[in-house]
Amino acid sequence: AQTVTQSQPEMSVQEAETVTLSCTYDTSESDYYLFWYKQPPSRQMILVIRQEAYKQQNATENRFSVNFQKAAKSFSLKISDSQLGDAAMYFCAYRSRSNYQLIWGAGTKLIIKP
Amino acid sequence: KAGVTQTPRYLIKTRGQQVTLSCSPISGHRSVSWYQQTPGQGLQFLFEYFSETQRNKGNFPGRFSGRQFSNSRSEMNVSTLELGDSALYLCASSLEGSSGNTIYFGEGSWLTVV
Repeated sequence: AQTVTQSQPEMSVQEAETVTLSCTYDTSESDYYLFWYKQPPSRQMILVIRQEAYKQQNATENRFSVNFQKAAKSFSLKISDSQLGDAAMYFCAYRSRSNYQLIWGAGTKLIIKP
Repeated sequence: KAGVTQTPRYLIKTRGQQVTLSCSPISGHRSVSWYQQTPGQGLQFLFEYFSETQRNKGNFPGRFSGRQFSNSRSEMNVSTLELGDSALYLCASSLEGSSGNTIYFGEGSWLTVV
């Protein structure tokens, strides 16, 4: 069975600085998708970035980028120029090509210090 | 374009009762999935529907059931409520149901069982 691990329950960063959130996963499959979702206090899950496993190039969305290391089964999220609005829970999630469910990590609470 | 709409947003039920939660997906989306979020267990997959057919089911007891209608709207039902069913229930929809499609979430239904 696939598992997703986020080893950092909480992270804090100074506004305008860069922070990296860690995620590792375990799977025997070769074709899958990885996601980072943000959950602000409103509790609505918002997609931050996605990565397709067969693509070697790391995904980037404005200030958000990932470091995808397939062999190491690592998928970290880098947030550059952190803003107060980035404060939220961040969840790493896995979805295989053959299955339709998201498997979630436990989440990392990101605190932005003004 | 309207997002994923969940009703009711908040509800309180008594142990032993049953509850029905509703989800209207984004227009044109045919895949609907449900997740339960609790502080102790985190995010767990309940089930996924595509074109009125349940394609995947998570490890939940038979008290949890769902269905999808021809207009893609979905409902989930929990019978004989237990205190441990208190949670945020998130509904999500995606376009075609391919595992690579982006999944969009609603704001959730907060269920409290007393």
